[in-house]
Amino acid sequence: DQQVKQNSPSLSVQEGRISILNCDYTNSMFDYFLWYKKYPAEGPTFLISISSIKDKNEDGRFTVFLNKSAKHLSLHIVPSQPGDSAVYFCAASENSGGSNYKLTFGKGTLLTVNP
Amino acid sequence: DAGVTQSPTHLIKTRGQQVTLRCSPKSGHDTVSWYQQALGQGPQFIFQYYEEEERQRGNFPDRFSGHQFPNYSSELNVNALLLGDSALYLCASSPIGTASEAFFGQGTRLTVV
Repeated sequence: DQQVKQNSPSLSVQEGRISILNCDYTNSMFDYFLWYKKYPAEGPTFLISISSIKDKNEDGRFTVFLNKSAKHLSLHIVPSQPGDSAVYFCAASENSGGSNYKLTFGKGTLLTVNP
Repeated sequence: DAGVTQSPTHLIKTRGQQVTLRCSPKSGHDTVSWYQQALGQGPQFIFQYYEEEERQRGNFPDRFSGHQFPNYSSELNVNALLLGDSALYLCASSPIGTASEAFFGQGTRLTVV
């Protein structure tokens, strides 16, 4: 039972255009969402996060949108750069009584930005 | 700041053997979590340690066990290795009681033959 789903295994975009990566979740208890980027032979690197009390969070070229009613979030990268080519993981956590948060990951989307 | 460091980076073991993987958390972080990432999958939560105790556990058998030391570093032990245990094992550290992002190490690639 996959609680976090990234239905697009891959995405290819041109440099300078917008990249939109999508993520759906099924667990209503999730209240914090994160995006990680992963290059080959490296661990995941934190990119951006959003709390369930917000619907948008922006950091430079990266914006995450959250639609709680649809249980859907998306990551927008504008403008896309060749260095953004990596696997992007969507992750979610639920508040476990103030202790730290285990993350539930999607399978990832391979983004390729072509020069 | 060295970030999260894991050792070894690669390991080959035979079915039935036991393995120990090690993790040093980022400076200032006292919570360590372990994840297993199989090929083509996202990382899957194994367990989390804080104050030298296992605090949360994912859906993994008892063959997977861990330990946290007073300096916050951690070990992951896997007994009676199966071919299906072949994966990238990731360690993540974070400060307790925050919703901040976890910082990951580069992982240990375990191959069971």
